[in-house]
Amino acid sequence: DGGITQSPKYLFRKEGQNVTLSCEQNLNHDAMYWYRQDPGQGLRLIYYSQIVNDFQKGDIAEGYSVSREKKESFPLTVTSAQKNPTAFYLCASSPGSTGELFFGEGSRLTVL
Amino acid sequence: AQSVTQLGSHVSVSEGALVLLRCNYSSSVPPYLFWYVQYPNQGLQLLLKYTTGATLVKGINGFEAEFKKSETSFHLTKPSAHMSDAAEYFCAVRRMDTGRRALTFGSGTRLQVQP
Repeated sequence: DGGITQSPKYLFRKEGQNVTLSCEQNLNHDAMYWYRQDPGQGLRLIYYSQIVNDFQKGDIAEGYSVSREKKESFPLTVTSAQKNPTAFYLCASSPGSTGELFFGEGSRLTVL
Repeated sequence: AQSVTQLGSHVSVSEGALVLLRCNYSSSVPPYLFWYVQYPNQGLQLLLKYTTGATLVKGINGFEAEFKKSETSFHLTKPSAHMSDAAEYFCAVRRMDTGRRALTFGSGTRLQVQP
């Protein structure tokens, strides 16, 4: 089935460690996105990519990094510079024509 | 300024009652508008969208929304609530007056359905 796969679903990390969240899509979409979700704050845009080898910062990019080496993959690294990384992270992709997003099931990161 | 505002972080209705979730946007030109639903610990699922054309948009699960340019609103309604409608709902906009090709989401409305 076509869709977006995020892994891992749950992740625990110690302070000071970098972690990478995986996002893979087989929908042949050009655009991919990372959002962060915190209770009562909706979804906030971290990074997005309209095309391979190109990406743009969103509203809360500090402490995060991404790469887009393949059309299917858009991994997110949460670095030790991110002050409050505990959150639910959502990856999405879009065919681009109307901006409609298709979401993965999310990854919940907890910093111990 | 906020691109999208959802009024009411929590809404409670009785089963069978009308559901009304409010969304207002700010944009100098009509944006593309979306409603998504999220069940606990899951991703978001698209309910409906407005891009151009007919201002009354019908979506899945009996939901519909009406784009009102004069009121800058895109409220979500369902005539009769079902227990399975209990979830969190997000309104989102893609502004067409900026170069950013990403959706901006409201803060969400949690819908409770009482038996």
